[in-house]
Amino acid sequence: NAGVMQNPRHLVRRRGQEARLRCSPMKGHSHVYWYRQLPEEGLKFMVYLQKENIIDESGMPKERFSAEFPKEGPSILRIQQVVRGDSAAYFCASSPISYNEQFFGPGTRLTVL
Amino acid sequence: QQQVKQSPQSLIVQKGGISIINCAYENTAFDYFPWYQQFPGKGPALLIAIRPDVSEKKEGRFTISFNKSAKQFSLHIMDSQPGDSATYFCAASKTGTASKLTFGTGTRLQVTL
Repeated sequence: NAGVMQNPRHLVRRRGQEARLRCSPMKGHSHVYWYRQLPEEGLKFMVYLQKENIIDESGMPKERFSAEFPKEGPSILRIQQVVRGDSAAYFCASSPISYNEQFFGPGTRLTVL
Repeated sequence: QQQVKQSPQSLIVQKGGISIINCAYENTAFDYFPWYQQFPGKGPALLIAIRPDVSEKKEGRFTISFNKSAKQFSLHIMDSQPGDSATYFCAASKTGTASKLTFGTGTRLQVTL
């Protein structure tokens, strides 16, 4: 039973470029969460999605950030016009219906030059 | 506003000793409290979790103690081993439909020989 998968594991972008981060939840999990971890800090919630729906985006920056979880395929976190302050580790977590246990992927480490 | 406060920031324990990490929360609606273990370059891994209907939960060498009236909970690692050296995060969320986790700032544990 494969765990949560994220790709790419490392992503380097120059300022102004776009970053696309992908997350495939565990089999049978229909809830996906994205968190951001800055160096030496804890994880901060960004967005919670179910298939084709954004349930809670209270942690998402108002501009440049968007997320989707289509009917088919992985969830995608998209960052447009990246800036150096976007450099962080981005983690995806998934959970089964009606449970709180969230299982995390290995993360995507974004570096903005 | 930080809703989950974690201490200490770092901890050094001798092999065989007891590691204790403490967390305090503010939001009385929280009723699910997991602990995650994170190794460098990896995603957080669910270690153990507790709900407020019990005051203690033990799994192997790991124990969570929960004090609802004080709004505090702690992780005890008995017989600490060098392999336990990692960063530990407490978190909290509301139960019911799957919801976002609010994390503490983390404790970096080092177990020495």
